[in-house]
Amino acid sequence: EVQLLESGGDLLQPGGSLRLSCAASGFTFSKYGMSWVRQAPGKGLEWVSSISGSGTNTYYADSVKGRFTISRDNSKNTLYVQVNSLRAEDTAVYYCARIHQDSFDYWGQGTLVTVSS
Amino acid sequence: QTVVTQEPSLSVSPGGTVTLTCGLTSGSVSTSYYPSWYQQTPGQAPRTLIYSTNTRSSGVPDRFSGSILGNRAALTITGAQADDESDYYCVLSMGSGIRVFGGGTKLTVL
Repeated sequence: EVQLLESGGDLLQPGGSLRLSCAASGFTFSKYGMSWVRQAPGKGLEWVSSISGSGTNTYYADSVKGRFTISRDNSKNTLYVQVNSLRAEDTAVYYCARIHQDSFDYWGQGTLVTVSS
Repeated sequence: QTVVTQEPSLSVSPGGTVTLTCGLTSGSVSTSYYPSWYQQTPGQAPRTLIYSTNTRSSGVPDRFSGSILGNRAALTITGAQADDESDYYCVLSMGSGIRVFGGGTKLTVL
């Protein structure tokens, strides 16, 4: 059974940093691209970033480019995103999702990041 | 900047049929955008319904179907049920690894 479990969400002040993690199980992690998708309170879903199975290729939404860094450790079956220079508008539930045929086929339950002074 | 558009809200009667659409502010949606559809109820993670335009995800009932209608991607629900009342999102693959969500459609079954 495919499982994705996010962790690392927290309450931080503007300008702060943190790293979110997504532990994957139930599939060959290195064979799949992965993504982060977020949802601000009461708002829609927003694609944030994706990474290829090998980790060679990374992609970012304009809203996070230069502040977020996606990475993965295939030996640990874990996806990460380092988020820096946090802004109030980064407040959201962050989901990790597996990429299959150019879509997201499995989702984690999300981790909440709150940015507030 | 191209924006992905969806109807903000739609309603359908129980047992009825409803079509949600996914378009672009500039240009037409085709299969080359690999449109996919997701269902989300409040407080829950999204659930994948349709990928690659018209392929149902595992376990999704066949009352959900995907297609291209004119210049938009479409999600049709046939024989709507009360638990279909949810938010529905489409995603388009814009190339170079970039994906864009539509703003979502709030579907009411009444």
